[in-house]
Amino acid sequence: AAGVIQSPRHLIKEKRETATLKCYPIPRHDTVYWYQQGPGQDPQFLISFYEKMQSDKGSIPDRFSAQQFSDYHSELNMSSLELGDSALYFCASSFFENTPGNTIYFGEGSWLTVV
Amino acid sequence: DAKTTQPPSMDCAEGRAANLPCNHSTISGNEYVYWYRQIHSQGPQYIIHGLKNNETNEMASLIITEDRKSSTLILPHATLRDTAVYYCIVRVPFNTGNQFYFGTGTSLTVIP
Repeated sequence: AAGVIQSPRHLIKEKRETATLKCYPIPRHDTVYWYQQGPGQDPQFLISFYEKMQSDKGSIPDRFSAQQFSDYHSELNMSSLELGDSALYFCASSFFENTPGNTIYFGEGSWLTVV
Repeated sequence: DAKTTQPPSMDCAEGRAANLPCNHSTISGNEYVYWYRQIHSQGPQYIIHGLKNNETNEMASLIITEDRKSSTLILPHATLRDTAVYYCIVRVPFNTGNQFYFGTGTSLTVIP
């Protein structure tokens, strides 16, 4: 079965540069979520989109922005990168966001290293 | 938000059942209990979820107490590949979102 696809899998950027991560949800899924997981930490929710509209916002820095496109893929844009942004970024997707019993599925993540 | 409490770590002998507890004493009536696991630096993997009744699938069983204040994930025959961090998550209805908030999880080590 098709899973959540994230690209790139690994990315190295310098401080103050900009990075863009992409997420392709499972076919027919209309909701995407972004999570950040720092070294030795648990995944932290950043932001989510439902039907191309932002649906919830977590601990996403103001330097970060995201959007969901008409084909439901999503991009996370990170500007003015800091060393502390080095982390594993997960995207997840689900269908019918407002169903409590629904399940979300995660991609394998994108490693961002800021040097 | 309903919070979850899990032991930070557990060991289990290979081939034995692994029973991972979770407390969610403030869970509300329409919130589901989900279990995910994360094998080192991989994407969290869905295991099972339930509302009130016990659930079983090919990976595990989920036992939810009658008052829904706690649950137990059971891996019936643990293997070395089950070594992972296991997260118990209560899904939070929030406006138009139903986000998954990860707690600290239980690091399960399956011992040969």
